[in-house]
Amino acid sequence: AQSVTQLDSQVPVFEEAPVELRCNYSSSVSVYLFWYVQYPNQGLQLLLKYLSGSTLVESINGFEAEFNKSQTSFHLRKPSVHISDTAEYFCAVRDSGTYKYIFGTGTRLKVLA
Amino acid sequence: NAGVMQNPRHLVRRRGQEARLRCSPMKGHSHVYWYRQLPEEGLKFMVYLQKENIIDESGMPKERFSAEFPKEGPSILRIQQVVRGDSAAYFCASSLTDYNEQFFGPGTRLTVL
Repeated sequence: AQSVTQLDSQVPVFEEAPVELRCNYSSSVSVYLFWYVQYPNQGLQLLLKYLSGSTLVESINGFEAEFNKSQTSFHLRKPSVHISDTAEYFCAVRDSGTYKYIFGTGTRLKVLA
Repeated sequence: NAGVMQNPRHLVRRRGQEARLRCSPMKGHSHVYWYRQLPEEGLKFMVYLQKENIIDESGMPKERFSAEFPKEGPSILRIQQVVRGDSAAYFCASSLTDYNEQFFGPGTRLTVL
C-alpha cells in the first residue's frame, strides 16, 4: 500500500534562509503529488501539485517542488523564507486510478527572526 | 465560485452526545470525501460518497460513525455517543469525478469534553 514519509516533524530556520522539506512516498507506477499548507487553526490550502509534465512545479509565493521518480521523492524548497511561511506543511500522494489521498504526518516549519 | 463549505467550523460536545458535521461540495461536484486529522497526525481517509450512495467506507470506524450524502442538501458525517478520542479536525473534500483532483474544505474542529 502507498505510504508517505515526512522525516522532519519540525524545521526551524532563520528568516531569509533557504529551506527544504522532505517528502518520500513508497512506490507506484504513476502518482499525483501535492503539497498543502495549514496555518494554525485553519484548513488545508493547496500549495502546489504535480500531475504530469515538467517535474519541477512552482507556487505563486516562491515555493517549488521537484518530482523525482527514481528516488520516489517530492521535496519542497524555498530559497528565502519569510516569517509568514511559519505553518505546517503536508505532503500527499494519490495513485492514479484511485481516489484516496495518502498524507504524510506533516512538517512544522518555524521561521525565526 | 464558492469552494467547499463546512459547518460548523468548531464544535464542542460532551461525552455521549451526538456530533453532526456538514459539508457542501463545490458547485457541480457530486463526489464527497471525508478525512480525519487526529492531533499531531496527517489526514486519514474515512469515507467516499456520491449522491445517495456510499462508495467506500473502509476508513470509517465501524461503530458510532455514519455518513450520508442525500440527493438534496449537504453531506453529513454523524458521530454518535462521542468519546474524547473523537476529538479531531474533520475535513471534507469534493471532486468533479471520482479520479479528479479533490478540493478541501476548511474543516470542522470537534472537541469532546
